[in-house]
Order: sequence, then C-alpha cells, then structure tokens
Amino acid sequence: DIQMTQSPSSLSASVGDRVTITCRASQGIRNDLAWYQQKPGKAPKRLIYAASSLQSGVPSRFSGSGSGTEFTLTISSLQPEDFATYYCLQHSTYPPWTFGQGTKVEIK
Amino acid sequence: EVQLVESGGGLVQPGGSLNLSCVASGFSFSNFNMKWVRQAPGKGLEWVSYISSSSLTIYYADSVKGRFTISRDNAKNLLYLQMNSLRDEDTAVYYCARTPSASPDSWGQGTLVTVSS
Repeated sequence: DIQMTQSPSSLSASVGDRVTITCRASQGIRNDLAWYQQKPGKAPKRLIYAASSLQSGVPSRFSGSGSGTEFTLTISSLQPEDFATYYCLQHSTYPPWTFGQGTKVEIK
Repeated sequence: EVQLVESGGGLVQPGGSLNLSCVASGFSFSNFNMKWVRQAPGKGLEWVSYISSSSLTIYYADSVKGRFTISRDNAKNLLYLQMNSLRDEDTAVYYCARTPSASPDSWGQGTLVTVSS
C-alpha cells in the first residue's frame, strides 16, 4: 500500500501569510494526487486535482505542485475562511486509496 | 446542482448491523463511480469502499472486508453500504462521494454511526 505522509500536522499562521503544506508518497504516484479542505462538522471539499489543477470555484490563492513522490499545497495569502484541516489523497495505485493524516491550519 | 444525501446512521451495539443509504441528484448517477469514506471522531479520512458505475468493480478496505457490502441501484439513484458485525472502531461519520475517473469531487454531508454497548 502507498503511504502518504503530510507535514506539518498542524501550523499556526496569520491572515495574509503564505502557507505551504507538503505530502510525500512512499512510492511514485505520478500526478495522481488531490487536496481537500475540511472545516469542522463539514464534508471535505476538493481544492486541487491532478496535483496542480484548480477545482472550479476555488480561489486562485490556492495552488498545488509536485509529481512523483513530493507534493505541495500553497495558500499564497491566508484568509480567515481558510482556517481548516487539509488532506491529500493519492489515487494512483489502488486499492486502497490513501489519505494523508491531515494538516490543521490555525490562527496565530 | 450535485447533491448527495446520506442516511441510515445511528447507535448500534457491537456485533450489530446497519444499512447506510446515499441518494444522489443533480447528475447522471449511473455514469459515476462512487466511494464510501469515513472519519472517526477527531481523526482523519479513511477510504472504506468503492463501486464502479456498473457495479462490475468493487473494492473494500482491509478493515471492513468480509463485514461490509457496497451496492447501488442506478434506477433509483441510490448507493448503499450494508455494515454487519460492527465493532467499536467502526464508529465514524460515513460519507458517500462521487468519484469521476480520479479523486472524489462531491461529497454528502455524512451520517454518524456509533457502535457502543
């Protein structure tokens, strides 16, 4: 099974900060990776698919990059509504589809 | 608008059974693969099961294999998850998720399953 390791597990940041979250795959997954945002009590929302494609309707301050084993989600200027938990998901080799353990973005 | 609405969750004793449903609307359900994903309280996301659009391909996570059964009724736009021999560790919010060729792009609001005596 492919393991997805996300870092950091949590971070504190201020509005306007640039935030970067990393996901590493235990083996190459090409660009078969998506990023999700989840707010408390809500369902996950897809932000990025195919590692770097922005989901329709998602603000352009979100971007994704990477290929193979290392991927990043960047929020260029953190907004109040961006405080949430973020997950990566690999869909290259399955089953199983595997999520990262999550990164909680909190207000500094 | 794509809508997925889960139901059927609740409190069940260990060893018991529950049948979750997910009704889809706003898209051509029969053309999409579907997944169940769960989230234990305070924990991360875990894939549970997958079914292809035609029901020809089905997968389960090792943690539920032999106990859970996924199925769908394309005529009724319904996705199901029959859960038997439930354990404490199955306690979670269960989400159904529409899955085009790759990653899930739409999720329901989830239904809570609590396994406890």
